[in-house]
Amino acid sequence: GQNIDQPTEMTATEGAIVQINCTYQTSGFNGLFWYQQHAGEAPTFLSYNVLDGLEEKGRFSSFLSRSKGYSYLLLKELQMKDSASYLCAVMDSNYQLIWGAGTKLIIKP
Amino acid sequence: GAVVSQHPSRVICKSGTSVKIECRSLDFQATTMFWYRQFPKQSLMLMATSNEGSKATYEQGVEKDKFLINHASLTLSTLTVTSAHPEDSSFYICSARLADNEQFFGPGTRLTVL
Repeated sequence: GQNIDQPTEMTATEGAIVQINCTYQTSGFNGLFWYQQHAGEAPTFLSYNVLDGLEEKGRFSSFLSRSKGYSYLLLKELQMKDSASYLCAVMDSNYQLIWGAGTKLIIKP
Repeated sequence: GAVVSQHPSRVICKSGTSVKIECRSLDFQATTMFWYRQFPKQSLMLMATSNEGSKATYEQGVEKDKFLINHASLTLSTLTVTSAHPEDSSFYICSARLADNEQFFGPGTRLTVL
């Protein structure tokens, strides 16, 4: 079966760095996405990795290792507004997104 | 990034009525749109894949006669919840996929069935 695993909840301090991990087992791979979702809102796109390595975009970076079925989202200089759920999703061989359950990130002052 | 809109953003209806939700790609053409449902504190659940000009592909367990999907143009897909019941109350989100596989989401529609 297809499976995406990410931690249920994480807590970090404002100004710090946090890494959210995601491991996956899917039928085929056409890229991995990270989305941010605030409560009651639709997800917003953060990053897309299809090749191994680190993609940096401002305070957010995303890393992918296809051989290990592993990705992480790195958030630097955390701000209170970063409190949200972070969803990892993999596009399988049918070009459909398989979703993780999301990681709720709590930022404390 | 690409913009996807949904209308209405919120709807409250009586049990037994039908509700139509529109999803539009505003600045691009989307041959493929997706409809998701999300219950509180749960992950997104794919309901169906909508391809322009053809019948939608429904996920297992989703009743195609209850959730009617029409993708009549490259910029518009509609989801009609027929004979809605309280258990259909949920957050319905559409997304559109670009040629490079990026997927952009609409803002969502919160449906409450009384």
